[in-house]
Amino acid sequence: ILNVEQSPQSLHVQEGDSTNFTCSFPSSNFYALHWYRWETAKSPEALFVMTLNGDEKKKGRISATLNTKEGYSYLYIKGSQPEDSATYLCAPDRGSTLGRLYFGRGTQLTVWP
Amino acid sequence: GAVVSQHPSRVICKSGTSVKIECRSLDFQATTMFWYRQFPKKSLMLMATSNEGSKATYEQGVEKDKFLINHASLTLSTLTVTSAHPEDSSFYICSASSHGVWEGREQYFGPGTRLTVT
Repeated sequence: ILNVEQSPQSLHVQEGDSTNFTCSFPSSNFYALHWYRWETAKSPEALFVMTLNGDEKKKGRISATLNTKEGYSYLYIKGSQPEDSATYLCAPDRGSTLGRLYFGRGTQLTVWP
Repeated sequence: GAVVSQHPSRVICKSGTSVKIECRSLDFQATTMFWYRQFPKKSLMLMATSNEGSKATYEQGVEKDKFLINHASLTLSTLTVTSAHPEDSSFYICSASSHGVWEGREQYFGPGTRLTVT
């Protein structure tokens, strides 16, 4: 089990606001960092898998950065929309042959219209 | 692609009985399947990892005799909660992965099963 911290625990923003949250993880034995989005009543959905220090990935209005040396990743949402409301989970991947992931508690984002 | 189904979505059972939950990968072959449990207001806790045709690997603190996992084929894994008690009531969710085929080792999740033990 890894010590994975996500902050803030919850976030309420107005439609159009940009927002960001943090995932902190142990920097040792790093292989990859996964971000997932989990909407209510749906299955968690993979957003990004990041492997390289300094990596930045983007999908539409959502982007993420990675710092493997200090053990953190930021997720940014530009111009939040109500459909972005979800819990965002991160999980470091240590490259085990089994591919196990240990998730943080997530950041619950609510975007108000 | 990468669809995972889970059945049943909800189940209510009496204390002392056993309940089986199925996890299927519908459009890909899953070399590995994972079972998670979600406690109230907490994240997904990994319970066990199963590879097709071999014994499951359980996380520390998870009773393997209580949570029986069978990964009989590349598309099906089952979790059986034996002699269920009210404290086993929870949301159980599976995921599947096909290392080496899908970029980045993503896991593809099922919709979950809400178990209530009365």
